[in-house]
Amino acid sequence: GAVVSQHPSRVICKSGTSVKIECRSLDFQATTMFWYRQFPKKSLMLMATSNEGSKATYEQGVEKDKFLINHASLTLSTLTVTSAHPEDSSFYICSASFPLGRDRGGELFFGEGSRLTVL
Amino acid sequence: GDSVTQMEGPVTLSEEAFLTINCTYTATGYPSLFWYVQYPGEGLQLLLKATKADDKGSNKGFEATYRKETTSFHLEKGSVQVSDSAVYFCALSRPGGGNKLTFGTGTQLKVEL
Repeated sequence: GAVVSQHPSRVICKSGTSVKIECRSLDFQATTMFWYRQFPKKSLMLMATSNEGSKATYEQGVEKDKFLINHASLTLSTLTVTSAHPEDSSFYICSASFPLGRDRGGELFFGEGSRLTVL
Repeated sequence: GDSVTQMEGPVTLSEEAFLTINCTYTATGYPSLFWYVQYPGEGLQLLLKATKADDKGSNKGFEATYRKETTSFHLEKGSVQVSDSAVYFCALSRPGGGNKLTFGTGTQLKVEL
């Protein structure tokens, strides 16, 4: 089956530093990836849609300069939390859209999530 | 805007008990409805889906019926197993929404022997 992997699964950083989270589709090419954020006891909230080779589309209220998203290849998207602060501490989840025209085409596959703690 | 409301957990059941996790939604038009499951240490996986009213999605003994009149998509299983312990997310997507999902808060299920 399709596998999406995130790295790191957990990261602790100091306030003011930047943290990069990677999302890889291991056995398929994903033209579209999505980044979500999950607060404790809250829904997963879509942050942005990442398309390979173009700028990400951010949801309303998400700071583009704070959360930098790069989708440089068909198998890799990265989320960089710049100048992180404690309020950025959260669980970040990516998903990748399986290519259309194939069995399960259009289905979303999710990474395991990355827990960021900013001290 | 669109929203999904599901029952708070954790839900604790004995093995072979009947499971219901309630999910209701608010959306314009005719969304597609999904249940995702997240096992410990893993990513969310699609459990089942329904794309139109009165459709029933089913997988691994789980079922959910798309009820437009009550805007609900409750998840049920007749006999749960310890291996069903996980977090279950109800979600919807709009036609033409480009795969964007709106999720509920998730419900943790614990099944004990």
